[in-house]
Amino acid sequence: DAGITQSPRHKVTETGTPVTLRCHQTENHRYMYWYRQDPGHGLRLIHYSYGVKDTDKGEVSDGYSVSRSKTEDFLLTLESATSSQTSVYFCAISGRGGTATSYEQYFGPGTRLTVT
Amino acid sequence: AQTVTQSQPEMSVQEAETVTLSCTYDTSESDYYLFWYKQPPSRQMILVIRQEAYKQQNATENRFSVNFQKAAKSFSLKISDSQLGDAAMYFCAYRVNNDMRFGAGTRLTVKP
Repeated sequence: DAGITQSPRHKVTETGTPVTLRCHQTENHRYMYWYRQDPGHGLRLIHYSYGVKDTDKGEVSDGYSVSRSKTEDFLLTLESATSSQTSVYFCAISGRGGTATSYEQYFGPGTRLTVT
Repeated sequence: AQTVTQSQPEMSVQEAETVTLSCTYDTSESDYYLFWYKQPPSRQMILVIRQEAYKQQNATENRFSVNFQKAAKSFSLKISDSQLGDAAMYFCAYRVNNDMRFGAGTRLTVKP
């Protein structure tokens, strides 16, 4: 268990509303990631962070923003949710102890988001 | 762009038998990592096995082993002595730096 939690675990929201998902880790991992999982696509990277206030875009970043003000927390925000953003969102971490040498990623339990 | 292809959407195996899941990838990089993840109905993503591209020796973790063919860009997973608890979605993944790409997955059913 890599000590990673996500909140909320389930959320239903309406089109056009803002939504923020939270990822929290207790293992001092340097890198944190947000993925979405959709049928037929596996997992796709949205954004990632390589340190406090250091973030970069992934494969499917349009419509999403992220923030990381503390090592432990990585937030994913949908500024104006759309039905195409209905998905399961996973947070992942790597780089135990603040190093860059760990290449394995460990995943949180996921958040199911439904946009109606 | 890197892509990962799992050509078998579904596979089934008899309990105690052996099954092999296929994965191919496309890359121009020489240094990368490959993974197999298991996702049971609980939705949790569980790391099964990993392989560094610079290592020629195939990785093994108990009943799980891989056949890594770098020139062919192939990374298959063999599950020996299959157990009911092995039933899950299996995802192949490829990583270069912080770019991790996943295949679409193979659903494995284990028949008692």
